[in-house]
Amino acid sequence: GAVVSQHPSRVICKSGTSVKIECRSLDFQATTMFWYRQFPKQSLMLMATSNEGSKATYEQGVEKDKFLINHASLTLSTLTVTSAHPEDSSFYICSVHRDRVFQETQYFGPGTRLLVL
Amino acid sequence: GENVEQHPSTLSVQEGDSAVIKCTYSDSASNYFPWYKQELGKRPQLIIDIRSNVGEKKDQRIAVTLNKTAKHFSLHITETQPEDSAVYFCAWGSTKLSFGAGTTVTVRA
Repeated sequence: GAVVSQHPSRVICKSGTSVKIECRSLDFQATTMFWYRQFPKQSLMLMATSNEGSKATYEQGVEKDKFLINHASLTLSTLTVTSAHPEDSSFYICSVHRDRVFQETQYFGPGTRLLVL
Repeated sequence: GENVEQHPSTLSVQEGDSAVIKCTYSDSASNYFPWYKQELGKRPQLIIDIRSNVGEKKDQRIAVTLNKTAKHFSLHITETQPEDSAVYFCAWGSTKLSFGAGTTVTVRA
């Protein structure tokens, strides 16, 4: 498997502020990480693909200037929610992509619950 | 991402009975089909997966079947137990995954 951590696990912030969420791959080097958002009782929605050393690839409808992604090393990707608003309140989950022979697998972090007041 | 239809949205079964969840996808280029179990407030956990060159895979009480021609794949849980109660998501893709809407499974003791 793979060990993935996220920090913080929970965060409450005021509207208009920015929040940074970290995703770390603890036991192997990951060139590709993914960021998802999950609203209550809904599925996981892919926001963007984070590529080490290059720009992130955003899914349609996700504002790249609002959700800044930095993948500066093979073990760390960060998601910054800029000028957060109450509608950004959600469960943000990262995953790490690990290639295996005849198998490709994603390993999820524990998630970060964001509440914007 | 591409659409993945997942049915049913909720499923209640008696302990010991079987549960079946089905997903239908649209992109024939997909080659990887995992199933995830998510308990409330926790991360999705991979429970079983299958690749496009295999039609069926089993791991103890859990099995997955894939019909590439019809573009659907199913999760089968036999001898259900209360701890199987959770939300189950199908997913498909290769490196990038799209997720189904989820099925809330309740196992009645």
